[in-house]
Amino acid sequence: AQKITQTQPGMFVQEKEAVTLDCTYDTSDQSYGLFWYKQPSSGEMIFLIYQGSYDEQNATEGRYSLNFQKARKSANLVISASQLGDSAMYFCAISTPTDDKLIFGTGTRLQVFP
Amino acid sequence: EPEVTQTPSHQVTQMGQEVILRCVPISNHLYFYWYRQILGQKVEFLVSFYNNEISEKSEIFDDQFSVERPDGSNFTLKIRSTKLEDSAMYFCASSAKIVVPPDTGELFFGEGSRLTVL
Repeated sequence: AQKITQTQPGMFVQEKEAVTLDCTYDTSDQSYGLFWYKQPSSGEMIFLIYQGSYDEQNATEGRYSLNFQKARKSANLVISASQLGDSAMYFCAISTPTDDKLIFGTGTRLQVFP
Repeated sequence: EPEVTQTPSHQVTQMGQEVILRCVPISNHLYFYWYRQILGQKVEFLVSFYNNEISEKSEIFDDQFSVERPDGSNFTLKIRSTKLEDSAMYFCASSAKIVVPPDTGELFFGEGSRLTVL
């Protein structure tokens, strides 16, 4: 079975600084996809970024980038130039050919302070 | 921008009552999902639905739960006899493509329906 581990229950970062949110995964599938979602206090799930296991380059979407280290089975989210509006829960998730769905980690609560 | 819409945003019900949560997925999407998030916990998969039938369901999705797509636009989750532990946020999600790599489609989530069982 697939598993996502997010070891940081909470993180603090000062505005305009960069922050890395950790995510490690476990799967026996060679092909898989890794996702990051943001959940603000209002509750909705907002897709941020996706990395495929065969993608050779790290995914980037604006201020978000994914530090994908396949050998270490890690897919850390890097948020550059943090903004107050980045304060939210962040969930890492995995999908595989054997699991037609996303499996989520427990999340990391990010607090950005002025 | 197209979006997944869910109703109601919040429902309070008595234990033992039936609840129906409604979702309107994005119109050209083919794959539909329900997830659950108990307050402060992670998002858990309940069920996936494709081609008018359940593709997969989790252990949580027992006989008290059912899903259907009655009219080609709505996608509903029914809880037949609610329990206290069913209190959670329920998310509907849809995708144009199967969320399986390498041909992965983005999974779009609705804003959720908060269910409170008293």
